[in-house]
Amino acid sequence: EPEVTQTPSHQVTQMGQEVILRCVPISNHLYFYWYRQILGQKVEFLVSFYNNEISEKSEIFDDQFSVERPDGSNFTLKIRSTKLEDSAMYFCASSERGSFRGASNTIYFGEGSWLTVV
Amino acid sequence: DQQVKQNSPSLSVQEGRISILNCDYTNSMFDYFLWYKKYPAEGPTFLISISSIKDKNEDGRFTVFLNKSAKHLSLHIVPSQPGDSAVYFCAALNAGNNRKLIWGLGTSLAVNP
Repeated sequence: EPEVTQTPSHQVTQMGQEVILRCVPISNHLYFYWYRQILGQKVEFLVSFYNNEISEKSEIFDDQFSVERPDGSNFTLKIRSTKLEDSAMYFCASSERGSFRGASNTIYFGEGSWLTVV
Repeated sequence: DQQVKQNSPSLSVQEGRISILNCDYTNSMFDYFLWYKKYPAEGPTFLISISSIKDKNEDGRFTVFLNKSAKHLSLHIVPSQPGDSAVYFCAALNAGNNRKLIWGLGTSLAVNP
């Protein structure tokens, strides 16, 4: 079964450093997402990306964050000047369609990248 | 602001018995609900969903019930199997939004052999 892959699985970085999390979405999918889950908290939507531009973003996704699809396969999340509170599991996801309504219109998540900011 | 609430952080059930996972919501504009399952070191995977125009949706061992007046939904797993041990997330979509999922905190289910 096709899957979303993420690298690295775990990264430790110093506060103030830049981090790039990488994702390879499922090949025929057109919509890409980043979510995060801070330890003990709920999964939170960060951003959705379609047709080479951000289609929606949450209030969490401020100027510190950016996303890019540098080539035909990768989808990256960049966090500039990381803060302690950025420590979380970051999930990349993709979907074929832009709606999750209907059992066949589902979103597929990667295994997550655990970011620890020290 | 916890719009989707899963008040039981954990649940333990004997193999073969029914598992009932509960979810409450506060936003009356939610009109579509989804359940995801998550194993350790994996991302969430879609399990089952229900539209607010229905009160029940069934898929094999999994059934989701929706009580709109109570703003409550539940996921029933019958019979429960050890492989069902995972964290189950309830999520919701607002009317007019097709993909911005609002998540609950999750319930960790342990099915004991």
